Amino acid sequence: LAKTTQPISMDSYEGQEVNITCSHNNIATNDYITWYQQFPSQGPRFIIQGYKTKVTNEVASLFIPADRKSSTLSLPRVSLSDTAVYYCLAYAFTGGSQGNLIFGKGTKLSVKP
Amino acid sequence: GAVVSQHPSWVICKSGTSVKIECRSLDFQATTMFWYRQFPKQSLMLMATSNEGSKATYEQGVEKDKFLINHASLTLSTLTVTSAHPEDSSFYICSARETAGETQYFGPGTRLLVL
Repeated sequence: LAKTTQPISMDSYEGQEVNITCSHNNIATNDYITWYQQFPSQGPRFIIQGYKTKVTNEVASLFIPADRKSSTLSLPRVSLSDTAVYYCLAYAFTGGSQGNLIFGKGTKLSVKP
Repeated sequence: GAVVSQHPSWVICKSGTSVKIECRSLDFQATTMFWYRQFPKQSLMLMATSNEGSKATYEQGVEKDKFLINHASLTLSTLTVTSAHPEDSSFYICSARETAGETQYFGPGTRLLVL
C-alpha cells in the first residue's frame, strides 16, 4: 500500500481541462492506481483505475509514466458539478486478503462559472 | 453495474441506544466488505474489514464490542453501533469488493446523529 501525495486544493473554470497529479514514490510492483470522487455527504464514487501508460473511460483519463511514481487524472471540460474531492490511491489487488484502502486528504477541486 | 446500497441513509437516536446500518451489494457478490467512518472535513478512516462467513478484522483503536459487524451473506454486511454516544455521530460508509475483481465500490453512506 503506497503512500500518495496530492495537492490539497485546485481551482478551475467551467469548460477547462483539469489535471490532478498524484505522487506515489514507493509504489510496489503489484499496486494499481485508483481514483475516486466524493461529493459532500456521499460515498466515494469510482472514477478510473490503471496500472501503466494511459487509461481512458467516458469520464476521465489516467496517465501513468513508465516509472509509475506518479499519475495524473485528467478531467476534460469540467463543469460546476465536478466540484468535489478527488482521492488517489495506490494499492495491490491481493485477492482474498485485505487490500485495504488508506485514504489521504484528497484534492478539493472547485470549479467556478 | 457494481452498485452498493446502505440503509438507512440517516438516523437520529438517543444516547445509549443501538443502531444497525445495512450495506448491500445489489448486482454483484462481495466476499469482502469494508466499513469506514468520516468526520466533517476529514478523510475516510477504515474501521474494519468484513469477510463473509468469518469474523471481522478491526483497525487499531476501533472497539469491536462497540461496533459489531456481521457479514452473513455475499451481498449483506451490517454494522451495529452499540450504546451509541454523541461522539459516535459521524458519516458511516461501506464498500464492497467483487469476488472476481478487486475494485472497491462504495455505498452512499449513513449519517448518524446521536443526541
